Amino acid sequence: GAGVSQSPSNKVTEKGKDVELRCDPISGHTALYWYRQSLGQGLEFLIYFQGNSAPDKSGLPSDRFSAERTGGSVSTLTIQRTQQEDSAVYLCASSFIPADEQFFGPGTRLTVL
Amino acid sequence: GQNIDQPTEMTATEGAIVQINCTYQTSGFNGLFWYQQHAGEAPTFLSYNVLDGLEEKGRFSSFLSRSKGYSYLLLKELQMKDSASYLCAVRDPGNYQLIWGAGTKLIIKP
Repeated sequence: GAGVSQSPSNKVTEKGKDVELRCDPISGHTALYWYRQSLGQGLEFLIYFQGNSAPDKSGLPSDRFSAERTGGSVSTLTIQRTQQEDSAVYLCASSFIPADEQFFGPGTRLTVL
Repeated sequence: GQNIDQPTEMTATEGAIVQINCTYQTSGFNGLFWYQQHAGEAPTFLSYNVLDGLEEKGRFSSFLSRSKGYSYLLLKELQMKDSASYLCAVRDPGNYQLIWGAGTKLIIKP
C-alpha cells in the first residue's frame, strides 16, 4: 500500500490483558514513531525507531509498554496488563529520514474496560 | 519544560479567512509543523517552517517568528471541508521528536 497502515483499527480489551498493536510504515521509510492521543488531548510521543533501533524510548509511560521493529519495517507496540488509563488512539507515523515530514497511519483505537 | 499553546476552538464563516496562532517554549527548535486532523482520522501534513517568514501553499499559509516563539496558520477562502482540528508541533533537534500542541478545533459555518 501507499500509506502507513495499522492494525487492528479498533481493540476492546479487559483490564489486565496484554495487547499488541501493529504498524506497517511506508516502504523505504527508515524512521518510525509511535504516538498516543487521548480524547481532546494533543499527541503524546511514545517511542522513535531509526531502522530497528530505538534511540529514544523516553516517552513510554511505564514498563508495561514496549515496542520493537524488525527488518527495518513492521513495528509492534505491546502493552502488558492494560489499565483503563491506557485507553486512547495509538498512532504510528513514518518518515523517509528523521528530518522529513511524518506520515501518519489511521491509528488503533484501544478501549480498556 | 516544553510548552505549545493553541486556542482550543475557533469558529469562522465559509469563504472567509481565519488565522490560528501557536506559541511555543521548547528547549530546542528544529522546525515547526502544522497538521490537519479530521475527526476520527489521522493527522495529515500541511506545512513546515524552519526559517522566519511566510510560507504560502495554495489557500494555506504558515508564518514563523523564532525570536517570538510564534507561528500562525492562515486559511483563506474557507470551505466546509476545512472543519477539522489543526495541530501545531515543534521538532526537537536532538531526536527529531515532534512536540505537539493540543490542537485547535476549527468550526466552519455556512
